[in-house]
Amino acid sequence: SQTIHQWPATLVQPVGSPLSLECTVEGTSNPNLYWYRQAAGRGLQLLFYSVGIGQISSEVPQNLSASRPQDRQFILSSKKLLLSDSGFYLCAWAGGGTDTQYFGPGTRLTVL
Amino acid sequence: KNQVEQSPQSLIILEGKNCTLQCNYTVSPFSNLRWYKQDTGRGPVSLTIMTFSENTKSNGRYTATLDADTKQSSLHITASQLSDSASYICVVRPSSNTGKLIFGQGTTLQVKP
Repeated sequence: SQTIHQWPATLVQPVGSPLSLECTVEGTSNPNLYWYRQAAGRGLQLLFYSVGIGQISSEVPQNLSASRPQDRQFILSSKKLLLSDSGFYLCAWAGGGTDTQYFGPGTRLTVL
Repeated sequence: KNQVEQSPQSLIILEGKNCTLQCNYTVSPFSNLRWYKQDTGRGPVSLTIMTFSENTKSNGRYTATLDADTKQSSLHITASQLSDSASYICVVRPSSNTGKLIFGQGTTLQVKP
């Protein structure tokens, strides 16, 4: 069966520090991968999606970036965090040819 | 602009009671509409999915309805349980792109004993 992992589960970082969140998927090949951010009381906002290794599409301009160094690994990064980057970050995957997205457990990021 | 609006924003009910959550959307044309359940601090989990040609879909005590003419969907929860306390998110997939979902802001449901 397929599983999706995210780490860390929670993170507290100072403003201006770098960020690296990791997402990995097991039990499937060539998944579409997604990074979302969920601010308190707001809907999920798609940040990046990837249909293959090295292929990243950005949905909103921001100081975040994403990379997909391996088929089942998706990384969200920032060189310098802003207060507004605080939120709940969710990674999701979908199988090729389907649009059902399965979400990971999420990472709670607090920028102080 | 494609939008998904949910109401109410939050809801408190007693255990055992029924409730209905609403979702209005302006996405057109659309491929499918889903309802997700998101427990606090967890990722969303899909409850139901309906294409534009379907009117209703059930998953246990959860029943979703869809009226494509009025662009409205509802999620009815029967005989609520404490474990139903969560956020319920309506999600629409437009037909015009691939994999990009449009999320509502969610309804937070609290079931009290």
